[in-house]
Amino acid sequence: EDQVTQSPEALRLQEGESSSLNCSYTVSGLRGLFWYRQDPGKGPEFLFTLYSAGEEKEKERLKATLTKKESFLHITAPKPEDSATYLCAVQDNYGQNFVFGPGTRLSVLP
Amino acid sequence: EAQVTQNPRYLITVTGKKLTVTCSQNMNHEYMSWYRQDPGLGLRQIYYSMNVEVTDKGDVPEGYKVSRKEKRNFPLILESPSPNQTSLYFCASSLVQGPYEQYFGPGTRLTVT
Repeated sequence: EDQVTQSPEALRLQEGESSSLNCSYTVSGLRGLFWYRQDPGKGPEFLFTLYSAGEEKEKERLKATLTKKESFLHITAPKPEDSATYLCAVQDNYGQNFVFGPGTRLSVLP
Repeated sequence: EAQVTQNPRYLITVTGKKLTVTCSQNMNHEYMSWYRQDPGLGLRQIYYSMNVEVTDKGDVPEGYKVSRKEKRNFPLILESPSPNQTSLYFCASSLVQGPYEQYFGPGTRLTVT
């Protein structure tokens, strides 16, 4: 059974204080790992897809990396507008269903 | 504008009263899916559909029904809602080939009393 865990559950940063969020996964065969951002009361918004170990993708202050067991979302010099819940999800090679982690709630203080 | 729409956005109902939450997408996506989101449990997939007339169960299908008669629409049906179905529901769509990202609707907050 595919499983996704995320840590920490919540993270408070000062503006400009860089950090990383972790996503650990267990999947029989990884088809894709996804990162989403979710603002309160809204639907998740797509950030990145990673397909294989060693892959990295960047978007503004965010950088996602992937190993065979986990993915990291690095946030460099965050701003208050980066405050949100960040969700990780996996899709395996055998089905079309997606499994999401519980998310990391990020707060960036000015 | 490319989007996934859901209606209603908010719904309060009573136990046993059948309801339908509609979902529509304008991106010509083959894949559509329903999720529920509960505190501490994250997003859990209820049902998904890879194309018209093709649906399959996700991780938490009990108490829900779906149908896919048109490519753009994927309604979620609760035939006899119960209080444990109180949740925030999201519809999503994507292309079906490859691990493509899903686009999510704005959510439907359902309360069953």
